[in-house]
Amino acid sequence: EPEVTQTPSHQVTQMGQEVILRCVPISNHLYFYWYRQILGQKVEFLVSFYNNEISEKSEIFDDQFSVERPDGSNFTLKIRSTKLEDSAMYFCASSEQGTSNSPLHFGNGTRLTVT
Amino acid sequence: DQQVKQNSPSLSVQEGRISILNCDYTNSMFDYFLWYKKYPAEGPTFLISISSIKDKNEDGRFTVFLNKSAKHLSLHIVPSQPGDSAVYFCAASAYSGAGSYQLTFGKGTKLSVIP
Repeated sequence: EPEVTQTPSHQVTQMGQEVILRCVPISNHLYFYWYRQILGQKVEFLVSFYNNEISEKSEIFDDQFSVERPDGSNFTLKIRSTKLEDSAMYFCASSEQGTSNSPLHFGNGTRLTVT
Repeated sequence: DQQVKQNSPSLSVQEGRISILNCDYTNSMFDYFLWYKKYPAEGPTFLISISSIKDKNEDGRFTVFLNKSAKHLSLHIVPSQPGDSAVYFCAASAYSGAGSYQLTFGKGTKLSVIP
């Protein structure tokens, strides 16, 4: 079964450094998402992306965050200057359609640790 | 702002018995409800969903019930198996009209099925 793949599985970085989290969505999917889960808290929506632009973003997704689909297969999340509170599990997801009945398929996540 | 609530952080059930996981929501604009299952070190996996116009959806051992007037849904697993032990997330969506939708997750319920 096709799956969403994320790399790396674990990223450790120092505060203030830039990180790029990478995702390869399922090939025939058109809608891409990033969610995150801070330890012990809910899975939270960050951003959705369709047709090479952001469709929607949450309050969490401030100017420090950006997303890109650089080559038609990868979908990346960049955090420009990491903060301690950015430490979380980051999940990439994709869906075939952007409708409620098109379930999201999640990757296994990247655990980001900011020290 | 807990629009989706799972009030039981954990549940233990004997193998072969029924597991009932509950979820409440507050936003009447949600039009689709989904259950995701998550094993440690993996991303959430879509399990089953229900449209807001239905009150029941069944898929094998899994049945989701929706009570719109009470803003409550539940997931029934019968018979429960040890492999069902995981964290179960209730999620809800409301189409934003922006070409995609975002999921609002509950905090999850950790199900342990005891052999």
